[in-house]
Amino acid sequence: NAGVTQTPKFRVLKTGQSMTLLCAQDMNHEYMYWYRQDPGMGLRLIHYSVGEGTTAKGEVPDGYNVSRLKKQNFLLGLESAAPSQTSVYFCASSGRYEQYFGPGTRLTVT
Amino acid sequence: TQLLEQSPQFLSIQEGENLTVYCNSSSVFSSLQWYRQEPGEGPVLLVTVVTGGEVKKLKRLTFQFGDARKDSSLHITAAQPGDTGLYLCAGAGAGSYQLTFGKGTKLSVIP
Repeated sequence: NAGVTQTPKFRVLKTGQSMTLLCAQDMNHEYMYWYRQDPGMGLRLIHYSVGEGTTAKGEVPDGYNVSRLKKQNFLLGLESAAPSQTSVYFCASSGRYEQYFGPGTRLTVT
Repeated sequence: TQLLEQSPQFLSIQEGENLTVYCNSSSVFSSLQWYRQEPGEGPVLLVTVVTGGEVKKLKRLTFQFGDARKDSSLHITAAQPGDTGLYLCAGAGAGSYQLTFGKGTKLSVIP
């Protein structure tokens, strides 16, 4: 039982490059979330999903896209990376209130 | 927009001391959770409180939800170095499973 896993763990991108972060959960949770965590800013919600095939915008969605084609997977895409997207990205899943987090992806955009 | 203010932002104490961390808002939450995050890892859930006035204990940690469900506190008795980490509170609004996170309290317990 792995819980929530994220790949990759680290990534360095040049400005303008694209990439996809993968989140997988094995707890059969309906809800999945993508957050970014920056010093002094706390955790901010980027996008979330309330079920397979559905997505919705969170607090800071600009510059990101998501897809939830399978219940267990939630993908976060950056189409044209910018230095402002340098951050640590966390995926989480929940059945109700309690959210379970992955280990994070540290992304640096130069 | 629901906001959660956590205080203090930083706390450095000696092993064996007691401490309290606060989480305050002007909004009412249907539930409130506390997480602990260690460097390089994701937050880990410690407790969920849902009833106004509720008190929950987890070994040396005591969590309280305010009567009006707008605030919460975390009290640690006889802190140990293993308690070091970032403590985050997060609240869910009525009818929603989305969480609003506070910015956290960074605790350092010195041996």
